[in-house]
Amino acid sequence: EVQLVESGGGLVQPGGSLRLSCAASGFTFNNYWMSWVRQAPGKGLEWVANIKEDGGEIYYVDSVKGRFTISRDNARNTLYLQMHSLRAEDTAVYYCARGVYAFDTWGQGILVTVSS
Amino acid sequence: DIVMTQSPDSLAVSLGERATINCKSSQSVLYSSNNKNYLAWYQQKPGQPPKLLFYWASTRESGVPDRFSGSGSGTDFTLTISSLQAEDVAVYYCHQYYNTPRTFGQGTKVEIK
Repeated sequence: EVQLVESGGGLVQPGGSLRLSCAASGFTFNNYWMSWVRQAPGKGLEWVANIKEDGGEIYYVDSVKGRFTISRDNARNTLYLQMHSLRAEDTAVYYCARGVYAFDTWGQGILVTVSS
Repeated sequence: DIVMTQSPDSLAVSLGERATINCKSSQSVLYSSNNKNYLAWYQQKPGQPPKLLFYWASTRESGVPDRFSGSGSGTDFTLTISSLQAEDVAVYYCHQYYNTPRTFGQGTKVEIK
């Protein structure tokens, strides 16, 4: 079964840092681009970043550039999102998703709350 | 950035009736070299992640019931549910993957009348 499982979320103070992980199973991880997509409480979907199969291409939405870093460990079948200088507006459920075009597989999501 | 605008924001449809959701992109998402529209549709039920329904605007994902259809080209797209069922209550999103940043519509909430 193709599966993505996020972890690492929680409550963090403004200005703090957090690292999210996404463990992939059931498919050949290093054959796929991967993305992070977030959803603020009660709001719509916002693409955050994506990374090529070999990590050689990376893109971010402007609002997280310089603060977030997407990476992957193909040996561990794991996607990461390192988040620094967190703001209240980063509060959201963060999903990892598979694909460079349409996202055909999504994790269940992990909640990140930025609050003092 | 390509702005995706869905209409309506919400709609209530009787069981068995047709539901139509529109999505308009601020620029064309049709790639002329391969004649493909870089547009997907997702369904999101409460407490669940989004589920892919269509890609390339009209290619149905495996397992999606055929009462769902996707159409359109260029800048104007439509998701149609031909006969609404109770399990179709959800928020539906369009998504362009023509360029980066990837962007989504604001969502359309479908309810039972």
